[in-house]
Amino acid sequence: DAGVIQSPRHEVTEMGQEVTLRCKPISGHDYLFWYRQTMMRGLELLIYFNNNVPIDDSGMPEDRFSAKMPNASFSTLKIQPSEPRDSAVYFCAIRISSSPLHFGNGTRLTVT
Amino acid sequence: GQQLNQSPQSMFIQEGEDVSMNCTSSSIFNTWLWYKQDPGEGPVLLIALYKAGELTSNGRLTAQFGITRKDSFLNISASIPSDVGIYFCAGQFNNDMRFGAGTRLTVKP
Repeated sequence: DAGVIQSPRHEVTEMGQEVTLRCKPISGHDYLFWYRQTMMRGLELLIYFNNNVPIDDSGMPEDRFSAKMPNASFSTLKIQPSEPRDSAVYFCAIRISSSPLHFGNGTRLTVT
Repeated sequence: GQQLNQSPQSMFIQEGEDVSMNCTSSSIFNTWLWYKQDPGEGPVLLIALYKAGELTSNGRLTAQFGITRKDSFLNISASIPSDVGIYFCAGQFNNDMRFGAGTRLTVKP
């Protein structure tokens, strides 16, 4: 969907490598969310930003995960070092005011 | 996180049949949402419900916001093959949003 562009769509990397996932949302949003989806745990909220400021990062699994939003049109989720258990689909989603979440098409990460 | 009880987990139905799925929670929400996810894509919003008791339709889809604000259901009438996918409920209270585990729907032609 053109509203939220995520890259790359697929990422395969070896354990120990650094991984950076990118999100380019449409303008006008107030909130940006990072979710992780796995078969075991479904959709899990990792972190969300309000007006580019991180509000709640309690869902970030551990210190290996970090997220930034340097401006309203770009956000990154970084994993360093990556581990096989990080394999999942990572979604970026936005919200405008109180509207429902609008998701990107995700990045499928495989860590071998 | 995943704190909604969504059922059934999966459904195998014949084309033309009606489908019903629901979500329950121990918490109150002020918004209920239903999303559909196709393979390799992100969840796409189907229906949003904002008031307890609200019944909303979107084509062959009908969803209701339970009066207790702790549950919601989604019905699909006269299913077609393109209805195949995973359906998620989501309950929202301010900035807190919880998702169900999903209902995987298979439609046999």
